[in-house]
Order: sequence, then C-alpha cells, then structure tokens
Amino acid sequence: AQSVTQLDSQVPVFEEAPVELRCNYSSSVSVYLFWYVQYPNQGLQLLLKYLSGSTLVKGINGFEAEFNKSQTSFHLRKPSVHISDTAEYFCAVTLSGGGNKLTFGTGTQLKVEL
Amino acid sequence: EPEVTQTPSHQVTQMGQEVILRCVPISNHLYFYWYRQILGQKVEFLVSFYNNEISEKSEIFDDQFSVERPDGSNFTLKIRSTKLEDSAMYFCASSGRNIAGNTIYFGEGSWLTVV
Repeated sequence: AQSVTQLDSQVPVFEEAPVELRCNYSSSVSVYLFWYVQYPNQGLQLLLKYLSGSTLVKGINGFEAEFNKSQTSFHLRKPSVHISDTAEYFCAVTLSGGGNKLTFGTGTQLKVEL
Repeated sequence: EPEVTQTPSHQVTQMGQEVILRCVPISNHLYFYWYRQILGQKVEFLVSFYNNEISEKSEIFDDQFSVERPDGSNFTLKIRSTKLEDSAMYFCASSGRNIAGNTIYFGEGSWLTVV
C-alpha cells in the first residue's frame, strides 16, 4: 500500500522569503502525486499534480513541485511567499494503475509572517 | 468556478443517533467520494461511488456507513449509529473522470461532533 510522509507539521516563514514543504512517499508501484491547499474555513483545492512527463510541475499561485523518483519525494516550493499563502498544505498520492483513492499526508501548516 | 457544496457545515449529535451528511457534487461529474479528517490526523478516504454503486471503500467504511445518490443532484453519507470516534470533518468530492484524467474537487466539509 502507498503512504505519504510530511515531516514538517508547521513551517513559519517571513513574507517574500522562499519556502519548501517536504513530501516523501512510499509505494512499490508507479504513482501519481498531488498537492492540495486548504485555506481557513474552506475545502481542499488542488495546487498541482504530477502524472508523467517533466518532473518539474508548475501549479497555481506561483507554486511548483519536483518529482524525484530516486528519493521518492515531491517537495513543494515557492520562491517568494505572501501572507495570503497562509494555509494547510497536503501532499497526496494515488496508484497510477487505476483506482480513485487519494492517500494523504498529515499536512503542513504554512504560516507566513510580516 | 464550479464547486461542491455540503450541508450542514456543522452538526452536533448524540452518540447512537443517525446522521445524514449531504453533498451536491458538480453537475456534470460522474465520480463521487467521501473523505474524513479526524482532528489532528490525516485526511482519510472513505468511499468512491460511480455509476450508482460503490466502486471502492476503505476499512473505515463499515456497515455503519452507507452512501446514496437519491436523485440527480445529491450525494449523501449516512452514519447509522454514531460513535464518539466518528467525530471528524467529512469532505465530499467529485470528479468528471478518474483521478488521472481529471481533478477531484472537494467541498468545504461538514464538521460532525458526536457527544
């Protein structure tokens, strides 16, 4: 079975600083990878996804992530964060061979400070 | 921007009572899901529903749970006899095709508190 690890439960960062949110996965077969964001009192919104092709994936709001198969990682990055990026970020994985079940990590709370 | 809507946003119920959580998926979507998140824990898959039947369910989705699409627009999750450990945020989601082919859209969640 696949699993996702987000080691950082909270990441504080100053506005305009770069940020990286870490995600590692475990699976014996090929996977698709996703990052979702949850703003306060809102649902989960897809930031970006990796299905195949280029390992660098660009998403909404200036975020990008890089798929690294050898390190089984899919870290999320943004070169310059804004206050409005304060939210909970979830990494998720599903098997590429089929099925519709997303397996989520525990989430990382990004807090952007002035 | 199309959205998935859920009601109620928050429900408090007594242990042993039945609860129905309602969802209106995006109108042209074909796949429907329920996930839940216990406070401080991971978002967990409960069930997926396609073509009027359950296509996949997790170990959590036992006989206490059921899903239904009673008409062309609603998708419900019923918990027959709630337990304290059912307290969680329940997310409904929908997609036009399977995950690889399309984005899953999530609702804002229904927060269930069992007392």
